[in-house]
Amino acid sequence: DAMVIQNPRYQVTQFGKPVTLSCSQTLNHNVMYWYQQKSSQAPKLLFHYYDKDFNNEADTPDNFQSRRPNTSFCFLDIRSPGLGDAAMYLCATSSPYRDSQETQYFGPGTRLLVL
Amino acid sequence: QKEVEQNSGPLSVPEGAIASLNCTYSDRGSQSFFWYRQYSGKSPELIMSIYSNGDKEDGRFTAQLNKASQYVSLLIRDSQPSDSATYLCAVIVNSGYSTLTFGKGTMLLVSP
Repeated sequence: DAMVIQNPRYQVTQFGKPVTLSCSQTLNHNVMYWYQQKSSQAPKLLFHYYDKDFNNEADTPDNFQSRRPNTSFCFLDIRSPGLGDAAMYLCATSSPYRDSQETQYFGPGTRLLVL
Repeated sequence: QKEVEQNSGPLSVPEGAIASLNCTYSDRGSQSFFWYRQYSGKSPELIMSIYSNGDKEDGRFTAQLNKASQYVSLLIRDSQPSDSATYLCAVIVNSGYSTLTFGKGTMLLVSP
């Protein structure tokens, strides 16, 4: 089945220790998104790729970086995690050209804990 | 500033009742509207999408859109305990590629 996969599902890191979260998709969608969601809050868009074009939200901290080496994979790098970065990180994909409705499909998420 | 507002709840309904979830949005240019269901600790799951004024039905779910009032709602008929979750309203302002703006979600509790 076509899907969005995130690894790992749970990640524990230490304060200041770099961490990388991974997202892959078999939907062949050209847009990939990274969201941060904290408890009882709405998902907050960090950045997204439209094909290879990177789009950073204005209020995304520099501590967060992303890479998209090919259509299928996208990575979220947190260079120096702080306690406030503990959250669920959600990857989503969409294909505006194939789907005029621009539906976004979410992966299962990665729960990040910072000690 | 694009805003999507939802009552945080919880909205409590008995099993078998109709649950009504509401959402308002600030940008009159909004064109696409989505309802996602999110169970605790899980990722959002698409329930319904709607683009034109009026009602759209899918099984027990009905989405209603009124662009003049900038209002979108989700009705869940014959509510089941398994419907207990947070329901997120999300809006896309422009077609031809744009990003989702989410509301904070309404928690629904369906009691047996």
